Amino acid sequence: LAKTTQPISMDSYEGQEVNITCSHNNIATNDYITWYQQFPSQGPRFIIQGYKTKVTNEVASLFIPADRKSSTLSLPRVSLSDTAVYYCLVGDGLYSSASKIIFGSGTRLSIRP
Amino acid sequence: SQTIHQWPATLVQPVGSPLSLECTVEGTSNPNLYWYRQAAGRGLQLLFYSVGIGQISSEVPQNLSASRPQDRQFILSSKKLLLSDSGFYLCAWSVPGASGNTIYFGEGSWLTVV
Repeated sequence: LAKTTQPISMDSYEGQEVNITCSHNNIATNDYITWYQQFPSQGPRFIIQGYKTKVTNEVASLFIPADRKSSTLSLPRVSLSDTAVYYCLVGDGLYSSASKIIFGSGTRLSIRP
Repeated sequence: SQTIHQWPATLVQPVGSPLSLECTVEGTSNPNLYWYRQAAGRGLQLLFYSVGIGQISSEVPQNLSASRPQDRQFILSSKKLLLSDSGFYLCAWSVPGASGNTIYFGEGSWLTVV
């Protein structure tokens, strides 16, 4: 699994767009990029997954540049309920070694009124 | 649809007592299963994962053990709990061979060792 680096914490205000960037310089050809959101006393929840370019769903957008060495999770018009820890994971589920799914420290996002 | 359940939701145990947390997955076959622990305010620590019945991989040396007696059942145990075993325990599953790292978590179990 490729190692990822993301900011420890970020602050923003309601209604703003928040972008969280994750670095993964050693990403492999078969690796996907997956983001999770975790609220206190809950397990992480899948937000979005992508391989290249841009992916958008009802919750967020994921931007991946051509070299795939980084990715940016974009949360449009955040609200207080978006306060959570966000994890970036990079890996490929096609091989048995990828069964070992390890989470990094994540980014603690705090949204203020 | 697939669901995952773990219990008990909360547990207060004295030091030196045994532990058993149980997790079951429904709606899928031969899932990869995981146990994670999260100390208060900290990140997720992978404890064990399993790719099949009786196949357990341990990530961190500790006084905990895991077993998978059935395809969709994963059990976390300890013979003698330590204070440092306190934390939030999460069971999770994923689809073997699926692209990417999509993993699904249970509701979690809060363990307080006193």
